[in-house]
Amino acid sequence: NAGVTQTPKFRVLKTGQSMTLLCAQDMNHEYMYWYRQDPGMGLRLIHYSVGEGTTAKGEVPDGYNVSRLKKQNFLLGLESAAPSQTSVYFCASSYSPPSGGLYNEQFFGPGTRLTVL
Amino acid sequence: TQLLEQSPQFLSIQEGENLTVYCNSSSVFSSLQWYRQEPGEGPVLLVTVVTGGEVKKLKRLTFQFGDARKDSSLHITAAQPGDTGLYLCAGPLGTGNQFYFGTGTSLTVIP
Repeated sequence: NAGVTQTPKFRVLKTGQSMTLLCAQDMNHEYMYWYRQDPGMGLRLIHYSVGEGTTAKGEVPDGYNVSRLKKQNFLLGLESAAPSQTSVYFCASSYSPPSGGLYNEQFFGPGTRLTVL
Repeated sequence: TQLLEQSPQFLSIQEGENLTVYCNSSSVFSSLQWYRQEPGEGPVLLVTVVTGGEVKKLKRLTFQFGDARKDSSLHITAAQPGDTGLYLCAGPLGTGNQFYFGTGTSLTVIP
């Protein structure tokens, strides 16, 4: 039982390049999330999904796209990377929706550190 | 401006001291979570509080949810070096599908 896994762990891009971050979970969770973490700002939600085939925008969606073709996978894409997208990216999943009270625990992956030059 | 503001941003204390971390908002949250994050890892849930005025204790950690569900606090008694980490509060607004995270408090406990 691996929980939530993310690939890759580190990546360096040049401005304008594209890449895809992969998140996989083996807990059969419906809800999945992509966050970015920057110093002094906690975690900010980029996009989320409430089930296979669905996606929605979070707080900071500009410059990112996502897809959830399979329930266990949630992909985050950067079509044309910018230095402002240098950050640590975390994927998370939960069994219940955020409003699910005591059952809305989020399980996080180990993160991907992305640098855009 | 973020929905959840935490204070202090940084805290460095000696082993054995007590401390309190605050998480404040002008918005009402249906529940609040506290996470701890260690360097190079993702956050791990410590507790969820769901009722205004609720107090939960986990060993040396005490969590409180404000009566109006707009704020929360985390109190650590007799801090230990193992408590070192980044503490984050988070919660959803109403029945929304988004979690909002606080700005974080970085705690260092010196042996």
